[in-house]
Amino acid sequence: EDKVVQSPLSLVVHEGDTVTLNCSYEVTNFRSLLWYKQEKKAPTFLFMLTSSGIEKKSGRLSSILDKKELFSILNITATQTGDSAVYLCAVGKSGATNKLIFGTGTLLAVQP
Amino acid sequence: GAGVSQSPSNKVTEKGKDVELRCDPISGHTALYWYRQSLGQGLEFLIYFQGNSAPDKSGLPSDRFSAERTGGSVSTLTIQRTQQEDSAVYLCASSLVAGKTDTQYFGPGTRLTVL
Repeated sequence: EDKVVQSPLSLVVHEGDTVTLNCSYEVTNFRSLLWYKQEKKAPTFLFMLTSSGIEKKSGRLSSILDKKELFSILNITATQTGDSAVYLCAVGKSGATNKLIFGTGTLLAVQP
Repeated sequence: GAGVSQSPSNKVTEKGKDVELRCDPISGHTALYWYRQSLGQGLEFLIYFQGNSAPDKSGLPSDRFSAERTGGSVSTLTIQRTQQEDSAVYLCASSLVAGKTDTQYFGPGTRLTVL
């Protein structure tokens, strides 16, 4: 059965800290791994990763994929209170259906 | 429109009633997805539409759930004879060209509460 596991489940840090969020997966017919940020309702897209070892960056956020060890990390440097959210990891499968398999998310709280 | 829109944003209903949830995808996006997010759970795939192809209904939890997409754009998710366990946030997403990109853009969701 396809599975996406995120850790930690929740995390509390102070502004300025650096955090690393983890996502491991066991999914057949892997195509891509995506990270989303969910603050209220709508998950907003952060990154899509398809190749191992190539880091994607957007400001203070970065992510990398290891297709051999079947995991990805999302790094946030110099955290701000606005980074507080649930971070969702999802795996896209190749094939006719493009549904995403989601993890349960990591709840990040950044305290001032 | 600029993004995926959904209506209503909140819906409270009584057990046994039928509800309809609406999704307007991003203009030009051919693929449309419905997901459900229950409290403390990850997003759970429900159904997927791609152009004129037959939808993938493999995620629908029971025959009380159905969805349609008219004219290749707007989609409606219908839940008949609602149960308390149907309470969740129902999220819709769309992507430009299914099979080429997995970047799905989500709407704000409909929070359904079944009393």
